[in-house]
Amino acid sequence: EDQVTQSPEALRLQEGESSSLNCSYTVSGLRGLFWYRQDPGKGPEFLFTLYSAGEEKEKERLKATLTKKESFLHITAPKPEDSATYLCAVQASGSWGKLQFGAGTQVVVTP
Amino acid sequence: NAGVTQTPKFQVLKTGQSMTLQCAQDMNHNSMYWYRQDPGMGLRLIYYSASEGTTDKGEVPNGYNVSRLNKREFSLRLESAAPSQTSVYFCASSEKLAGSEQFFGPGTRLTVL
Repeated sequence: EDQVTQSPEALRLQEGESSSLNCSYTVSGLRGLFWYRQDPGKGPEFLFTLYSAGEEKEKERLKATLTKKESFLHITAPKPEDSATYLCAVQASGSWGKLQFGAGTQVVVTP
Repeated sequence: NAGVTQTPKFQVLKTGQSMTLQCAQDMNHNSMYWYRQDPGMGLRLIYYSASEGTTDKGEVPNGYNVSRLNKREFSLRLESAAPSQTSVYFCASSEKLAGSEQFFGPGTRLTVL
């Protein structure tokens, strides 16, 4: 059974204090790994898709990386507006395309 | 381009009442989805529609029905609401079923008393 585990559950950062979020996954074969950002009271907002080990993608202060067992979302010099819950989801190859979501990491960045 | 829209934003029901959640997308996507989100449990798929005219059960379909009205619209119906269906419901769409990212609507917060 496909499983996705995100850690830590919550992260409190000072503005400018870089850190990383972890997404560990177990799937029979990976078609894609997706990162989303979710603000309170809103729907998840798509950030990145990673398809193969070694792949990296960047967007402003965020950088996502992928290995065969986990993905990291690095937040460099965060600002208060980066405060959100970050969700990771995997899609297994050979499946019809179902996304298996992790429970998320809640990030709070204080000035 | 509104993306994915959902109505209503909030709803309170009494046990046994019925209601329909509406979803529409303007991205010309083929596939659409309904999820529920509960604290500590992540997003769980209720039903999905691979393309116009097809629907299939997801992880937690009991107590729900869906209709893919046309390519743009996908509705979720609760026939007899139960307190266990208190949740936040999200609709999403994607270009195709596999290998493409899903785009989410703003959600409907449902409380069943």
